[in-house]
Amino acid sequence: RKEVEQDPGPFNVPEGATVAFNCTYSNSASQSFFWYRQDCRKEPKLLMSVYSSGNEDGRFTAQLNRASQYISLLIRDSKLSDSATYLCVVNGNSGNTPLVFGKGTRLSVIA
Amino acid sequence: NAGVTQTPKFRVLKTGQSMTLLCAQDMNHEYMYWYRQDPGMGLRLIHYSVGEGTTAKGEVPDGYNVSRLKKQNFLLGLESAAPSQTSVYFCASSYWDRGGEQYFGPGTRLTVT
Repeated sequence: RKEVEQDPGPFNVPEGATVAFNCTYSNSASQSFFWYRQDCRKEPKLLMSVYSSGNEDGRFTAQLNRASQYISLLIRDSKLSDSATYLCVVNGNSGNTPLVFGKGTRLSVIA
Repeated sequence: NAGVTQTPKFRVLKTGQSMTLLCAQDMNHEYMYWYRQDPGMGLRLIHYSVGEGTTAKGEVPDGYNVSRLKKQNFLLGLESAAPSQTSVYFCASSYWDRGGEQYFGPGTRLTVT
């Protein structure tokens, strides 16, 4: 099983839609979870950390399910500016991978 | 506060040539990382450093060397470039390694012909 797996998409949604991404991870001992956003030809930037109790930042909600080892990101009322690739990130299994990045899920919000 | 900067932004090399990519951060971070990103492969860790004077191998270290002589700088060297090293290279830094947020530089687009 790969350390971090994501559906690559693309997800094509109309403006105003709600969209959810899921990510699974293999290391049951992982303690740190993040969602990063990467715009085309740009560097990844932290979108939000994911806490055990779940957390919300405006239109974005992140959830963690430790028992099933998955993380989710929900985007409500999608905007055109939300179009990007969303990377699921978890701290790694072994000493040589401090953080492991998923390959990303591409979102296109259409007018 | 510039954050993480990378030099150069673009480079074209011929097979067998060498070059050094420079990463600099002004956030006083202990940890620094070099990644490469290829289509369909995601970000893969090449080497990282947990402090000045220390380096460690990541997931894909072959063909690369690194040095961290100063806390704020992390250099990535390609001694004999190969077409398989055509990629986008990102440097990142963080306060700690086991779960701290990483801050990325803008990337270097390298083409090896």
